[in-house]
Amino acid sequence: AQKVTQAQTEISVVEKEDVTLDCVYETRDTTYYLFWYKQPPSGELVFLIRRNSFDEQNEISGRYSWNFQKSTSSFNFTITASQVVDSAVYFCALSDFTGANSKLTFGKGITLSVRP
Amino acid sequence: DVKVTQSSRYLVKRTGEKVFLECVQDMDHENMFWYRQDPGLGLRLIYFSYDVKMKEKGDIPEGYSVSREKKERFSLILESASTNQTSMYLCASSPPPLMVSGNTIYFGEGSWLTVV
Repeated sequence: AQKVTQAQTEISVVEKEDVTLDCVYETRDTTYYLFWYKQPPSGELVFLIRRNSFDEQNEISGRYSWNFQKSTSSFNFTITASQVVDSAVYFCALSDFTGANSKLTFGKGITLSVRP
Repeated sequence: DVKVTQSSRYLVKRTGEKVFLECVQDMDHENMFWYRQDPGLGLRLIYFSYDVKMKEKGDIPEGYSVSREKKERFSLILESASTNQTSMYLCASSPPPLMVSGNTIYFGEGSWLTVV
């Protein structure tokens, strides 16, 4: 069975601080896909990134960066110089590799509060 | 842009009522999903559908059913609502399969259901 663990439940930082959101996953599949979503107070989940298991390159997008480490089954997300608009719930998710019927297993989410 | 629209944002229903949550997507996606989100539990998959009239149980299908008569529409049905079904319900859609680069799962804004 697939599992995603987000051990941190709530994080509070002051604006401009860097913050890392941890994600650890379990799967028996050799090929799988990892995702991060952001859920602002409005409720809609916003897609941030997708990572394939066979591509271990880290990625940077503006203030966001992701560190994928297959050896430790982790896919951590770092926000540099955090801003108040980054306040949201962040979910890490894992997809199974069942071809056309792929679906996502989510972690429990991390509530990030960025104070001015 | 992909648009997943959930017909009701906020609903209040009485115990024992039959409840319909409607979801429509405008991108001709084959796959559609219903998730339930509860504090501390993250998102849990109720049902998903990978084609018209096809459905598969997710992790927590008890007390729910679904209907997919048209490709763009996926309905979640609570046959006899109970107070423990008070929750936020999220509909999602995706093009299969997730292994194709760029494919991801898109979410609606959510429906807050309160059963009294």
